[in-house]
Amino acid sequence: EAQVTQNPRYLITVTGKKLTVTCSQNMNHEYMSWYRQDPGLGLRQIYYSMNVEVTDKGDVPEGYKVSRKEKRNFPLILESPSPNQTSLYFCASSSHRGRVPDTEAFFGQGTRLTVV
Amino acid sequence: AQTVTQSQPEMSVQEAETVTLSCTYDTSESDYYLFWYKQPPSRQMILVIRQEAYKQQNATENRFSVNFQKAAKSFSLKISDSQLGDAAMYFCALAKAAGNKLTFGGGTRVLVKP
Repeated sequence: EAQVTQNPRYLITVTGKKLTVTCSQNMNHEYMSWYRQDPGLGLRQIYYSMNVEVTDKGDVPEGYKVSRKEKRNFPLILESPSPNQTSLYFCASSSHRGRVPDTEAFFGQGTRLTVV
Repeated sequence: AQTVTQSQPEMSVQEAETVTLSCTYDTSESDYYLFWYKQPPSRQMILVIRQEAYKQQNATENRFSVNFQKAAKSFSLKISDSQLGDAAMYFCALAKAAGNKLTFGGGTRVLVKP
């Protein structure tokens, strides 16, 4: 089954304690991205990757890091989380070849992060 | 830069009735796609309907249809014969035709009254 898997689904942590949210896809997609969802703001892109070892900033990258060492995995790293990073996070993947709908996004189940 | 605006934070509809969600957008692209996503309490992002900007005909998927007004940059979603399972957050989104990034609106919560 084609899917994007995020872990964990829920996470409560304390300010400053490094954490990683994992994302894995089984569709051999080149493009992967992270979004955060906040009330009234919808989803905003944090970082994206167009292929292995190629990453770039999205609209709200401050306080986040990513890596793309393998095609299937795209972890989101918060090295020193702060309360303003409390949010719902989504990983998404899509093919980079062609046009919509060939490049349609597949979303993970979301990770609810609370930083206290 | 692309922007998407949903002006209705919440809409309420009686079961079996019709509700229309509004969305306006701005882009300098001539070739783009518009989407409506549904997010139920499970948080899953579900694609409801897609509209190609170059097509004049409005997209329809069962009880869901859109009113795409390209000149006005408007893209509303109509849900007909509303069902309890339609209760969710709905997001309007925009993407370049050959791109991967989605730009989302702030969302509209739909409540369905039995």
